[in-house]
Amino acid sequence: GAVVSQHPSRVICKSGTSVKIECRSLDFQATTMFWYRQFPKQSLMLMATSNEGSKATYEQGVEKDKFLINHASLTLSTLTVTSAHPEDSSFYICSAKVSGSSFFRYTFGSGTRLTVV
Amino acid sequence: SQQGEEDPQALSIQEGENATMNCSYKTSINNLQWYRQNSGRGLVHLILIRSNEREKHSGRLRVTLDTSKKSSSLLITASRAADTASYFCATDLTGGGNKLTFGTGTQLKVEL
Repeated sequence: GAVVSQHPSRVICKSGTSVKIECRSLDFQATTMFWYRQFPKQSLMLMATSNEGSKATYEQGVEKDKFLINHASLTLSTLTVTSAHPEDSSFYICSAKVSGSSFFRYTFGSGTRLTVV
Repeated sequence: SQQGEEDPQALSIQEGENATMNCSYKTSINNLQWYRQNSGRGLVHLILIRSNEREKHSGRLRVTLDTSKKSSSLLITASRAADTASYFCATDLTGGGNKLTFGTGTQLKVEL
């Protein structure tokens, strides 16, 4: 259980266009979703935390106007990369917090490889 | 953001050998988790160890935690070629809002 479906898995877009990435929780309600980016052979860096029905909280250095996050329902969170540039090319991964006993478990989407040309 | 350091960065072993990866972190934690990532894929949760635990086992995995040294280790016994992946530790920091902070990762290659 606790599966997060992330789409698309790969996307190539032209510089200046916008790209939307979706993450859906399939069998549970995700009140909190985390968005990460990962450069090749590097670790995951948290970009923002989204809570259903409220504004996302962005990490320091992440442009909120460039990376728009919407978490309008308990099963869907989206990340839109606006006016994408080649330096935005990266691997983006979402993660949902799953409640369980006295601690939280996290389940990850399969990631989206964004290439901006 | 604070990030754990892992070593080694890369590890290459023969099938059947054990693989040990280490993770150090900087501040107090609620728990520490280990994840596995196959190339270009999402992360798979392996094991979680709470701050009041010292050792935990799951199948061929053994995790230790030393909060006095702010370090953890992941041991994979009797490794298989299918264990080839990147392994990350992630800390749930005290007062961190349940956000996970990831370590730098260890790339493990298990050769036949």
